[in-house]
Amino acid sequence: SQQGEEDPQALSIQEGENATMNCSYKTSINNLQWYRQNSGRGLVHLILIRSNEREKHSGRLRVTLDTSKKSSSLLITASRAADTASYFCATAMNRDDKIIFGKGTRLHILP
Amino acid sequence: KAGVTQTPRYLIKTRGQQVTLSCSPISGHRSVSWYQQTPGQGLQFLFEYFSETQRNKGNFPGRFSGRQFSNSRSEMNVSTLELGDSALYLCASSLSSQMNTEAFFGQGTRLTVV
Repeated sequence: SQQGEEDPQALSIQEGENATMNCSYKTSINNLQWYRQNSGRGLVHLILIRSNEREKHSGRLRVTLDTSKKSSSLLITASRAADTASYFCATAMNRDDKIIFGKGTRLHILP
Repeated sequence: KAGVTQTPRYLIKTRGQQVTLSCSPISGHRSVSWYQQTPGQGLQFLFEYFSETQRNKGNFPGRFSGRQFSNSRSEMNVSTLELGDSALYLCASSLSSQMNTEAFFGQGTRLTVV
């Protein structure tokens, strides 16, 4: 079963609006990472947040981590057409040297 | 600095054949991980190599294998291909374990098994 589950599966918003995606996971983790993928190409790393961190920012991106709820959120502010992509969370679990990806949120920015 | 290079980009094979995919990581990166991506199963971890040693392996049958060379380049091999092996195969490189650092992905090899 998937360790990380993104929500929603798909999201369409107007350009300029903010987009929020959530990721829930099942077991305790070392860290959580967010990646972006443009139409079936390679993934691009966005942010890594460690289990002892609660919030991280990178440009228009803001990631939060709530280990008590086993969840993370990715906020993209002032969305642009170029943000249209699939977004994945990936967790590195304490008990295992594996990275597990969720199935992703497909974000579509409308002009 | 050059990114992660995967070859070939596209491949069509017949059931029962075998295939070898190649990945050249970013210079200086010692960790190479492989993933299979399909619409149904999403991104699934295949294996990770670090300094020529397989450090971890996902839940795939023994038909899937890999190796890493002294220059950190990696290959993965799939033998006795099945239709379900059709997927985008992605390689990622990182300085150390992908668990703890940013990973850089190649563009992938799209394998079609007919």
